[in-house]
Amino acid sequence: KQEVTQIPAALSVPEGENLVLNCSFTDSAIYNLQWFRQDPGKGLTSLLLIQSSQREQTSGRLNASLDKSSGRSTLYIAASQPGDSATYLCAVSLSGSARQLTFGSGTQLTVLP
Amino acid sequence: GAVVSQHPSRVICKSGTSVKIECRSLDFQATTMFWYRQFPKQSLMLMATSNEGSKATYEQGVEKDKFLINHASLTLSTLTVTSAHPEDSSFYICSAMRPNSGANVLTFGAGSRLTVL
Repeated sequence: KQEVTQIPAALSVPEGENLVLNCSFTDSAIYNLQWFRQDPGKGLTSLLLIQSSQREQTSGRLNASLDKSSGRSTLYIAASQPGDSATYLCAVSLSGSARQLTFGSGTQLTVLP
Repeated sequence: GAVVSQHPSRVICKSGTSVKIECRSLDFQATTMFWYRQFPKQSLMLMATSNEGSKATYEQGVEKDKFLINHASLTLSTLTVTSAHPEDSSFYICSAMRPNSGANVLTFGAGSRLTVL
């Protein structure tokens, strides 16, 4: 059974810092991996999707990397802003089926002004 | 862009009553929608897959008679929590598959916070 772990559970940084969020998964035979953002009491917004054949994806100040062999992904946020404060979840799919998305429990990020 | 609307965003009910939560895809047709449950500081757990025009597929451990799912149209799925109890208090989120966007590219609703007194 696929397990997804995100460490740390919470992170607080001053504005302007670059930071890295970590995601690890136990079964390396994944189809793809996604990073989501969740604001308090809200649903999920997809940030980046990395296919199993890819090493990284970039969108603006966000860069996600994938190392399938080691079962790890990182989300790099450059020049953090208070508006980046949210919970970030990663989710892996073994087969490409939405039914088989396994989510991590998230990292709650607070960017202090 | 694709939008999924969930209603209500918050609901408080008494123990023993039933609560219905709606999930609508506003600008696309969704033959498949998903219902999740999320406890504080925990990950989303898939409860069931809602299929338009057919019975929902429930994940192991989810009581289908307690969590009734109806997907009567291509834009609406409903989750009814029957005879709700305090332990059913949780954040319920739906998602819908966007057509022609890949098998697991989902659009999520904003969630519904259920509090059972």
